Amino acid sequence: QSVLTQPPSVSGAPGQRVTISCSGSSSNIGAGYDVHWYQQVPGTAPKLLIYGYSNRPSGVPDRFSGSKSGTSASLAITGLQAEDAADYYCQSYDSGLSGWDVVFGGGTKLTVL
Amino acid sequence: QVQLQESGPGLVKPSQTLSLTCTVSGGSIASDNYYWSLIRQPAGKGLEWIGRIYGSGSTTYNPSLKSRVTILLDTSTNQFSLKLTSVTAADTAVYYCARHDCRRGSCYIDSWGQGTLVTVSS
Repeated sequence: QSVLTQPPSVSGAPGQRVTISCSGSSSNIGAGYDVHWYQQVPGTAPKLLIYGYSNRPSGVPDRFSGSKSGTSASLAITGLQAEDAADYYCQSYDSGLSGWDVVFGGGTKLTVL
Repeated sequence: QVQLQESGPGLVKPSQTLSLTCTVSGGSIASDNYYWSLIRQPAGKGLEWIGRIYGSGSTTYNPSLKSRVTILLDTSTNQFSLKLTSVTAADTAVYYCARHDCRRGSCYIDSWGQGTLVTVSS
């Protein structure tokens, strides 16, 4: 059971817009900790997509955007392309006994129809 | 461009200790701008954070694994390492080394190793 909750799967046709939610609580996203998003093509290591809720590293297309609201965060992908088919993970921090722990969402599989 | 490379046995027997080393090249493991994590992923499942270590040697572990995990840093070889004791089949996973970049007021993983599969089986 992941600390951050994501839908197991989402899908969309090429050119469409999809969103992936990441639901947390008052001890993680709601506490003000940043949320980052990673894209993982099966068989490869994850790759940073969004950091600090809405910032894109260089090289990431502006079709990808992130946002936050209360205890949740979202990743939006516009102009869906076949190459976007992958698993997506949100990551934040949770207030633990030893300070703050790194936590991940369970991952969302994006299918491009 | 920093690179991380995992190394270690691909097969470990149940109840034994899993040992894995992460070698960092292209950057100093002792830098104050970064910290280092071990993350694992069972086949077909999501990412699980195991623990982290700072250049100072300070560590934090996932509470669910804390009693079995030790992460150490060796600045002379620019490596960090994982020891996971009393392993079971549930510890079978791809293990990743990762670097968290903290230079922009937020710490995110900007570099990953390629991952190494560790299987626990007799």
